[in-house]
Amino acid sequence: EAGVTQFPSHSVIEKGQTVTLRCDPISGHDNLYWYRRVMGKEIKFLLHFVKESKQDESGMPNNRFLAERTGGTYSTLKVQPAELEDSGVYFCASSQEPGGSVGYTFGSGTRLTVV
Amino acid sequence: GQQVMQIPQYQHVQEGEDFTTYCNSSTTLSNIQWYKQRPGGHPVFLIQLVKSGEVKKQKRLTFQFGEAKKNSSLHITATQTTDVGTYFCSSNDYKLSFGAGTTVTVRA
Repeated sequence: EAGVTQFPSHSVIEKGQTVTLRCDPISGHDNLYWYRRVMGKEIKFLLHFVKESKQDESGMPNNRFLAERTGGTYSTLKVQPAELEDSGVYFCASSQEPGGSVGYTFGSGTRLTVV
Repeated sequence: GQQVMQIPQYQHVQEGEDFTTYCNSSTTLSNIQWYKQRPGGHPVFLIQLVKSGEVKKQKRLTFQFGEAKKNSSLHITATQTTDVGTYFCSSNDYKLSFGAGTTVTVRA
């Protein structure tokens, strides 16, 4: 079974530019989550999709962030325009059920650097 | 934001020794999950605890959920260099947001 795939693995952009991160969850996993690790510390919840619907987007920091999951398969997270404080590692995770007994499967993350 | 608090933040262990990391919540949790992240890697699910007082073992790792379901611990016996990494605990109650975790280094 393929794991959760994220790309790009790294992205360096200038302040004010736009970046789009992509996540391909494990096939058949309806639940998809985005997280962000800033300054190498806490890993913060951003939002949760159930299929194509946003179940919970309470963790999205501001309206510069837009997440989509058209068709309920892969998801994208767009940051526009990027600011310096958006730098960090963005993780995607998926699960067959919300936090089931086998936990969430995380992708390898996208390291975003805004300069 | 809310998450389960974890102590210690750093643990330096002599190879072969035991250590314990603790998670504490101010509220009763419906479950607790533990993850391990190797340096440069991503969180990998270890285990979920659901029942009050539950104890689960994975080889040298012992996980425990407190009777009041407000705290949990991870105990590692005979630490090996492969145990290096950051151990996180969280709960679906906190949308699985992680704190800083416990970063473990091992002295050979």
